[in-house]
Amino acid sequence: NAGVTQTPKFRILKIGQSMTLQCTQDMNHNYMYWYRQDPGMGLKLIYYSVGAGITDKGEVPNGYNVSRSTTEDFPLRLELAAPSQTSVYFCASTVPKIAGGGGDEQFFGPGTRLTVL
Amino acid sequence: GQNIDQPTEMTATEGAIVQINCTYQTSGFNGLFWYQQHAGEAPTFLSYNVLDGLEEKGRFSSFLSRSKGYSYLLLKELQMKDSASYLCAVSAQGYQKVTFGTGTKLQVIP
Repeated sequence: NAGVTQTPKFRILKIGQSMTLQCTQDMNHNYMYWYRQDPGMGLKLIYYSVGAGITDKGEVPNGYNVSRSTTEDFPLRLELAAPSQTSVYFCASTVPKIAGGGGDEQFFGPGTRLTVL
Repeated sequence: GQNIDQPTEMTATEGAIVQINCTYQTSGFNGLFWYQQHAGEAPTFLSYNVLDGLEEKGRFSSFLSRSKGYSYLLLKELQMKDSASYLCAVSAQGYQKVTFGTGTKLQVIP
C-alpha cells in the first residue's frame, strides 16, 4: 500500500491563480481530511469528508473547495490564491471505529508546500 | 468551540525523562491523540486515549483525565531522534472532527 499520497510536493502560485491539490489513499478509508499548517503552528482543519459524496467545512474553509467523488480521492481546490494561503497542506485519512465512529489514528500524506506571491 | 493548550517549547537531556502537558476544553469529547512531527515532515501517530488512565507503549506513555481536561505525554530514556514537535489533538462532536493544538517543540540536548 502506498498509503496517502499528495501531489504536487511544492508549488509557487501568483496571486489570483487557481490550482488543485491532489490527495489519494489506497487504504479504503471512509474519512478524509485537509489541514493547513502555518510555520510554528498546529494543524487547522479546512474540510473533511466522511465518505464519497459527503463533505463538510472545518475551521478555516474560506478560499477553498473540495469534492469527494470516489473513496480514494479528495482534491482541494484554491480558486483565487492569496498570500494568506501560503502554508503546508496535509491530507489525512482514517477509518472509523466500529459502532462508535472515529478515533483511530489519522494517516497523513507527505504534504504540499504552497507559496503564493 | 475547542481550546487546547500545550507549552510552546521544552528542552531535555539525552537519557532523561520529559513530560509534555496538554489541557483542553471542549464539548462532546471523545478522545485525545498525541502525534509526533519532525521538522519538514508529516505528523505520525503516537497514541489515542479514550478512558482515564495511563497507556504505555515502549518509551512513550500517555495519560488522560477526562474530568480535569488534562493529558500528558511521557517520554523516557530520551534519544536525540526524539527532538521533534509533539501535537496534542482532541476528537469531539461525532468523531469526524479532530482539533490540533499548536504543538510543543522538544529539543533533546547531549
